[in-house]
Amino acid sequence: IVLTQSPGTLSLSPGERATLSCRASQSVISSYLAWYQQKPGQAPRLLIYGASTRATGIPDRFSGSVSGTDFTLTISRLEPEDFALYYCQQYGNSPLTFGGGTKVEIK
Amino acid sequence: QVQLQESGPGLVKPSGTLSLTCTVSGDSSSSSSWWSWVRQSPGKGLEWIGEINHSGSANNYNPSLKSRVTISIDKSKNQFSLKLNSVTAADTAVYYCARGPNYFDSWGQGTLVTVSS
Repeated sequence: IVLTQSPGTLSLSPGERATLSCRASQSVISSYLAWYQQKPGQAPRLLIYGASTRATGIPDRFSGSVSGTDFTLTISRLEPEDFALYYCQQYGNSPLTFGGGTKVEIK
Repeated sequence: QVQLQESGPGLVKPSGTLSLTCTVSGDSSSSSSWWSWVRQSPGKGLEWIGEINHSGSANNYNPSLKSRVTISIDKSKNQFSLKLNSVTAADTAVYYCARGPNYFDSWGQGTLVTVSS
């Protein structure tokens, strides 16, 4: 399954709302999709799994949703530490695949 | 709190074999865990390489790499390993080990492996 993330870069200010998209090339079984955050020089960090379940310790400003083959990660109010790269990953079909990423940068 | 740490050579010659080990500590859910390798290169983003279950009785590999990859586990040492043979410059990447199954809730810090003569 090919995951297409958009936009490639999102330029926003702290306090603004971020909406990141991940579109699957075919149906993802049981909404088996995860979102990760990655900062420079660090490993990805799990944010969301099952399309909408926050991982342990993830603030509630992060939320995930799904409509058909379109998945969305929303950050309700951007904090300074949220400016990073974000990846989606599907695990409903083998091989596991990742999207190309969305960079959220400070405007 | 599970911790993972990759180790291995940072430079591999073309046509050689890339060998990495991941040491796991603090895993309280070991019997249900699957252990994966994921790599990240500028040209291809994040790519799942494959996984092995806790007992070592089952593997799954990415078809794009399956002919060149072996993932094994040494439970006595709390380690699992990656071997990728016949490497080329396209295999240059940061290699991560991670805990699954399916999605990855714990990752190693990553290790850069460069394929060059």
